[in-house]
Amino acid sequence: NAGVMQNPRHLVRRRGQEARLRCSPMKGHSHVYWYRQLPEEGLKFMVYLQKENIIDESGMPKERFSAEFPKEGPSILRIQQVVRGDSAAYFCASSPGHNYEQYFGPGTRLTVT
Amino acid sequence: EDQVTQSPEALRLQEGESSSLNCSYTVSGLRGLFWYRQDPGKGPEFLFTLYSAGEEKEKERLKATLTKKESFLHITAPKPEDSATYLCAVQAMIGGNKLTFGTGTQLKVEL
Repeated sequence: NAGVMQNPRHLVRRRGQEARLRCSPMKGHSHVYWYRQLPEEGLKFMVYLQKENIIDESGMPKERFSAEFPKEGPSILRIQQVVRGDSAAYFCASSPGHNYEQYFGPGTRLTVT
Repeated sequence: EDQVTQSPEALRLQEGESSSLNCSYTVSGLRGLFWYRQDPGKGPEFLFTLYSAGEEKEKERLKATLTKKESFLHITAPKPEDSATYLCAVQAMIGGNKLTFGTGTQLKVEL
């Protein structure tokens, strides 16, 4: 049973470009979460999605960041007009439902130059 | 606001030297407390969920316990392969499914 898959594993973008991070949940999981880990800081919640719905986006920056989880295909975290401060590891997690353990993917390491 | 504080920040042990990691938390109604292990360059790996004070769970050399204000991760006779960062997180009854993480304890076990 494949775990949570994320791609790309490493992404380099210049300031002002767009970054698209993809997450495929574990088989049978319909709940997806995105977290960000800045250097020397803990994991911070960003957004919680179910298929075609955003359930909780209380941790998402108000501008430039968006997330979706379409009926078909992976969840996408999109960062427009990236800045140096967006450099971080972005982790996706999935669970089979509400109130279950969350299983994490390997992360995407975004570097903004 | 939910908060999680882990101590110590870093811990160095000799192989076989048992110890405990601490996780103190404040949360508006605890739904669950989670322990994860994270190796460098990888995602967190789920270890345990604890739901109520007094609960204990074990897995190999690890045992997690929970009180109303803190959790301990006890490591018995550790081996070098136990070296990792151990993360604690809480999930509140109210506020969705999000996890609030501490900054972790970086454990190194030496021969």
